[in-house]
Amino acid sequence: EDKVVQSPLSLVVHEGDTVTLNCSYEVTNFRSLLWYKQEKKAPTFLFMLTSSGIEKKSGRLSSILDKKELFSILNITATQTGDSAVYLCAVGPGSGGSNYKLTFGKGTLLTVNP
Amino acid sequence: KAGVTQTPRYLIKTRGQQVTLSCSPISGHRSVSWYQQTPGQGLQFLFEYFSETQRNKGNFPGRFSGRQFSNSRSEMNVSTLELGDSALYLCASSLGPTLAGADTQYFGPGTRLTVL
Repeated sequence: EDKVVQSPLSLVVHEGDTVTLNCSYEVTNFRSLLWYKQEKKAPTFLFMLTSSGIEKKSGRLSSILDKKELFSILNITATQTGDSAVYLCAVGPGSGGSNYKLTFGKGTLLTVNP
Repeated sequence: KAGVTQTPRYLIKTRGQQVTLSCSPISGHRSVSWYQQTPGQGLQFLFEYFSETQRNKGNFPGRFSGRQFSNSRSEMNVSTLELGDSALYLCASSLGPTLAGADTQYFGPGTRLTVL
């Protein structure tokens, strides 16, 4: 059975801190790993990673994938209170695009205090 | 471009009733997936539809069913509701399996179902 494990489950930091969120996975025929941010409502897409060792960056957020060790990290620098959310990691298996589905981790609850 | 829309946003039902939820994907997206989100279990995959065909199904009982129409809109039905079905039901759309970037799923706001 496909499995995604995120750590830590929750994290409390102060504004300006840098945080690293972890995601490890076991999935058949790995194809992609995605990061989402979920505040009160639906998850919003952050990054999709398919290639090992290539960093994706968007502002203060960045993510990298290690396909050999089967994990990814999401870094947030200079955190702000608006970064407070649940961060979800999901992996997509499949070969040739059939029977596609995402398996999600339980998420990391990040709280940024002023 | 309009995002994924889901109706209704909130729903209260009693045990034994049935419910139908609706999802309209982003224009041009042909794949629709449904997820159940609860505090204890997180996001769990229900099923995925592409071109009106269910291609994959999660580990949920047969009371959970769905369909997709020719315009890619999708409905999800839950029959004989149980208390444990109370959850946020999320729909996500994506382009489809053969296009670049097809893995990215974009979520709707969800339907909050409460079963009393």
